[in-house]
Amino acid sequence: AQSVTQLDSQVPVFEEAPVELRCNYSSSVSVYLFWYVQYPNQGLQLLLKYLSGSTLVKGINGFEAEFNKSQTSFHLRKPSVHISDTAEYFCAAMRQFGGYQKVTFGIGTKLQVIP
Amino acid sequence: KAGVTQTPRYLIKTRGQQVTLSCSPISGHRSVSWYQQTPGQGLQFLFEYFSETQRNKGNFPGRFSGRQFSNSRSEMNVSTLELGDSALYLCASSLNRKQGPGGTEAFFGQGTRLTVV
Repeated sequence: AQSVTQLDSQVPVFEEAPVELRCNYSSSVSVYLFWYVQYPNQGLQLLLKYLSGSTLVKGINGFEAEFNKSQTSFHLRKPSVHISDTAEYFCAAMRQFGGYQKVTFGIGTKLQVIP
Repeated sequence: KAGVTQTPRYLIKTRGQQVTLSCSPISGHRSVSWYQQTPGQGLQFLFEYFSETQRNKGNFPGRFSGRQFSNSRSEMNVSTLELGDSALYLCASSLNRKQGPGGTEAFFGQGTRLTVV
């Protein structure tokens, strides 16, 4: 079975400080990994994805994530956060099952940027 | 290119009623998935449709059902509404190609906020 764990439900951080949102996945087979952001009363928007290749993935809004196979982690980072980054962030893992894919989402991490 | 469109955006229903939510995927996307999002449970997968067939289902009671039409538009129905069904219902579409990971990411609509009173 595939599962995604986001270790922190809420992360407060001061504006212009760095932030790391943690995500661990469990899967015995190859997975594709994603980070989504959700602003209030909106759907989820893709931030970045890891499919293969370089383990450091850069996304929109200055975010990046590093795929670590040995630690089964895909932590999201930003060197300097802005007030507008206040949102909920979801990590997701996708497995290929024959002709289709199955996605599992983490429970989400609320990032609160403090001015 | 238009995004995923969900209608209506907001709904208020009373217990015992039934409701139908609609989702129009991005043009060319054949996979449509539905999720329920609540503050305590996060995103929970309801079901996925591909080419008018349900091929994946989450752990929800039979009151939750869906269908997909030949143009890939999808509807979700909840019968005999309960207070606990109050949630944001999200629809996501993807290309879901058979070969390789291309087109794997899901594109989400803005959701339908359902309140059951």
